[in-house]
Amino acid sequence: DAGVIQSPRHEVTEMGQEVTLRCKPISGHDYLFWYRQTMMRGLELLIYFNNNVPIDDSGMPEDRFSAKMPNASFSTLKIQPSEPRDSAVYFCASSSLAGGPVGELFFGEGSRLTVL
Amino acid sequence: AQKVTQAQTEISVVEKEDVTLDCVYETRDTTYYLFWYKQPPSGELVFLIRRNSFDEQNEISGRYSWNFQKSTSSFNFTITASQVVDSAVYFCALTYDGGATNKLIFGTGTLLAVQP
Repeated sequence: DAGVIQSPRHEVTEMGQEVTLRCKPISGHDYLFWYRQTMMRGLELLIYFNNNVPIDDSGMPEDRFSAKMPNASFSTLKIQPSEPRDSAVYFCASSSLAGGPVGELFFGEGSRLTVL
Repeated sequence: AQKVTQAQTEISVVEKEDVTLDCVYETRDTTYYLFWYKQPPSGELVFLIRRNSFDEQNEISGRYSWNFQKSTSSFNFTITASQVVDSAVYFCALTYDGGATNKLIFGTGTLLAVQP
C-alpha cells in the first residue's frame, strides 16, 4: 500500500509569494494532521481533520495559513503571503481509530519550505 | 497540561555501546498513550512503539527495549549494541486527549549519533 504522499518535497520561494503544500493520506484513514518542524519549536501540530472536517486549528500560526480537505484523499496547506519565518519542514500524517492502534500516525516524507 | 520532555538534546556513542534515551511526560488524563518515533537522516518519521497507560510491562524488540514507569512518569528507550544505522532523531510523544482522537504532542527529540 502506498504511504502518505506529500508534494512538493522541496519548495524555495520569495517572501510574499503564495505556497501550497499537498497531501494524499493513506486510503481508508479518517484522520489527517499537518505538523510543522523547526529547530526552534520542534514538531508542532498545526491542524487536524476528521472525516474531512477541520477539528482543531488552534495550532495554525496566523491568518496567513489555511488548510482544506475537499475529500478523503486530498488536503492542502496554503500560506499566503509567505514570510521567511515560515521556513520549515511541513509534515502530513494520517491515521485511523477504526480497528487500529490508537495514535499511530503514518507520516509523509515532508515538504521542506524555504522562504527567501 | 500535556507535556513531553526529552532533556537529552544530543547523544554520541560508539558503535556497540548501549544507550538510553529519556522521556518524561505530564498529563492530566488517566488513560493515555505514549509513543516513540524515529526520524532518520532521510527525514520521514517512523513509528516504533505505542504503550497505553494501563500496561507497564517493559517491551523488548530485538535490540530495542522500552521501560515505562508511571511512578516517575517516564517512558525510556534503550538501544543495546548500537549500530551506525541507529543514528537518527528520536521523538517521544503523548496523546492529547486520552486517545479519543489521534492527536499527539511530541517532545523536542534526541539526536543520536552512533560513531563507527
